[in-house]
Amino acid sequence: SQQGEEDPQALSIQEGENATMNCSYKTSINNLQWYRQNSGRGLVHLILIRSNEREKHSGRLRVTLDTSKKSSSLLITASRAADTASYFCATDQSGGSYIPTFGRGTSLIVHP
Amino acid sequence: EPEVTQTPSHQVTQMGQEVILRCVPISNHLYFYWYRQILGQKVEFLVSFYNNEISEKSEIFDDQFSVERPDGSNFTLKIRSTKLEDSAMYFCASIGLRGTAGELFFGEGSRLTVL
Repeated sequence: SQQGEEDPQALSIQEGENATMNCSYKTSINNLQWYRQNSGRGLVHLILIRSNEREKHSGRLRVTLDTSKKSSSLLITASRAADTASYFCATDQSGGSYIPTFGRGTSLIVHP
Repeated sequence: EPEVTQTPSHQVTQMGQEVILRCVPISNHLYFYWYRQILGQKVEFLVSFYNNEISEKSEIFDDQFSVERPDGSNFTLKIRSTKLEDSAMYFCASIGLRGTAGELFFGEGSRLTVL
């Protein structure tokens, strides 16, 4: 299976702290994406990083990709209570149809 | 901002009944997907659809499932004879460009409860 697997499964931090979530996958990819899901809601795209990129920023988000280790990390800096959500990575296997495949997610709780 | 809309937001049905979940993808998008998420678990791919036919489907998408695009806007997922284990959130998603990296736009989901 190509799906990414997020780590940790759950993360609890205080407002203002940084949150780091990791994603590992098994085979070569075209790109890796991070999505956010508020409880009971749809997934919202956060950021996409291509296989030839190593780091990408968007606001308080920083994503890294290490294709040699088949892993990615999502860093949320200066977290806010509103960042409380589940975060999923999605990988798209190279050479195949475009089917973003999701992991189990990391549940982030940011305490005010 | 364009969005994917799904109906119903919640449906309760008896085991063995047929269910149709509806989606209106973003108007200029070409590729459509159904995913499902059993409560608290991972988001699982069911099927992708392009040019009025299925392009890929997962093992979950067995003969009890079907998809169609009956008109230019709606994209439906039908479950012919629901089972208890079909209880989940079903998400429709669409994307404009195939073969290139791009974000999926998800609807808010349809929660299916099978009793």
